[in-house]
Amino acid sequence: QSALTQPASVSGSPGQSITISCTGTSSDVGSYNLVSWYQQHPGKAPKVMISEVSERPSGVSNRFSGSKSGNTASLTISGLQAEDEADYYCCSYAGSSTVVFGGGTKLTVL
Amino acid sequence: QVQLQESGPGLVKPSQTLSLTCTVSGGSISSGGYYWSWIRQHPGKGLEWIGNIYYTGSTYYNPSLKSRVSLSMDTSKNQFSLYLSSVTPADTAVFYCARAPFGCRDGTCRSKTFDYWGQGTLVTVSS
Repeated sequence: QSALTQPASVSGSPGQSITISCTGTSSDVGSYNLVSWYQQHPGKAPKVMISEVSERPSGVSNRFSGSKSGNTASLTISGLQAEDEADYYCCSYAGSSTVVFGGGTKLTVL
Repeated sequence: QVQLQESGPGLVKPSQTLSLTCTVSGGSISSGGYYWSWIRQHPGKGLEWIGNIYYTGSTYYNPSLKSRVSLSMDTSKNQFSLYLSSVTPADTAVFYCARAPFGCRDGTCRSKTFDYWGQGTLVTVSS
């Protein structure tokens, strides 16, 4: 069970859109529509932003959206705001009642 | 509003067993449809799933930690606990407890997300 692959960092200017990729395998991301995304600010607990590939929990801004194609899931943040600067983690069900996280991506708002 | 709170020693000696408890309020851990989970984060690193427990007592562990991890639950106190044995300094991390809703299909249940998290507690392994 290997960690999902995310870019170490991405950046964008306020108002722009950015996309963070999350690449797994046919045993996890590719087999299940059970990918979730978490936002983590320094010193804080993670917060779910997207569940089940593209579902946005109540209270999460509609600037956040998720998608999946094959073994790769993606998180898109549109209309980038300063408060979006944080670490982002993807997570997928990986079969046999296990779960695997991505290595995390640091988003910098320029 | 469901709330989770981790508690336990912040310092554990090498080779000992790390023990943490998560107290849940605002909801019962005996309600169906949710796993109760432990996740850790090494300093400056990413998240690592440790394991899930269901109120029936069923447990599911990360294969890489399975030989050292045990989860238990006390439904009368609305708490669940983590035990990690034979710890080394490499186990130093912030430990989070979380709730994981799941769905079942064709006899297989799969966790969907982690929707509520505790604030996390730092456990340092050092002599």
